[in-house]
Amino acid sequence: QKEVEQNSGPLSVPEGAIASLNCTYSDRVSQSFFWYRQYSGKSPELIMSIYSNGDKEDGRFTAQLNKASQYVSLLIRDSQPSDSATYLCASNQAGTALIFGKGTTLSVSS
Amino acid sequence: DAGVIQSPRHEVTEMGQEVTLRCKPISGHNSLFWYRQTMMRGLELLIYFNNNVPIDDSGMPEDRFSAKMPNASFSTLKIQPSEPRDSAVYFCASKTGLAGEETQYFGPGTRLLVL
Repeated sequence: QKEVEQNSGPLSVPEGAIASLNCTYSDRVSQSFFWYRQYSGKSPELIMSIYSNGDKEDGRFTAQLNKASQYVSLLIRDSQPSDSATYLCASNQAGTALIFGKGTTLSVSS
Repeated sequence: DAGVIQSPRHEVTEMGQEVTLRCKPISGHNSLFWYRQTMMRGLELLIYFNNNVPIDDSGMPEDRFSAKMPNASFSTLKIQPSEPRDSAVYFCASKTGLAGEETQYFGPGTRLLVL
């Protein structure tokens, strides 16, 4: 059974701090990794995708991938109250459906 | 681009009734996915299509669920008969068929409540 595991949280950080979200996956042949953000009552929206080992930065967001450890993380710098949401980690092999974790709830307090 | 379109946005029905959910993928996308989201189980794949052909329906709970994609711009997910445990948010997502492009774009979802 292919699985993606995340801590459900809630993860609480003060405004301006770094939020660190973590994810592990069981399928060693997974090739693509994604972080989606989902606000309450809304649909998931893509934040970051990463395909190669190492770091990928986009604005305040950095995704990190370690395929040897089957580990993906998302760092959010200078966290804002508007970042408060559930963050879903997902992985897949090329051309197949995404396998999602159950999500980590992030709360950023002002 | 209008994004993925789903209808209805909300559905309240009684146990035993037939429910039909509809999805229009982003124009030019040739893969379509149906997901179900609940608090207990998270976001689960039900079925997905490539070029209108069902590829993986292993997530379809049971024979009460069926999905069709008669053309590249329309898909339906039908539940007959519906049961209270089917209450969930049902998302449709689509993606291009371009090599190396795996990003899926989600519709707004249909919130289903079966009484």
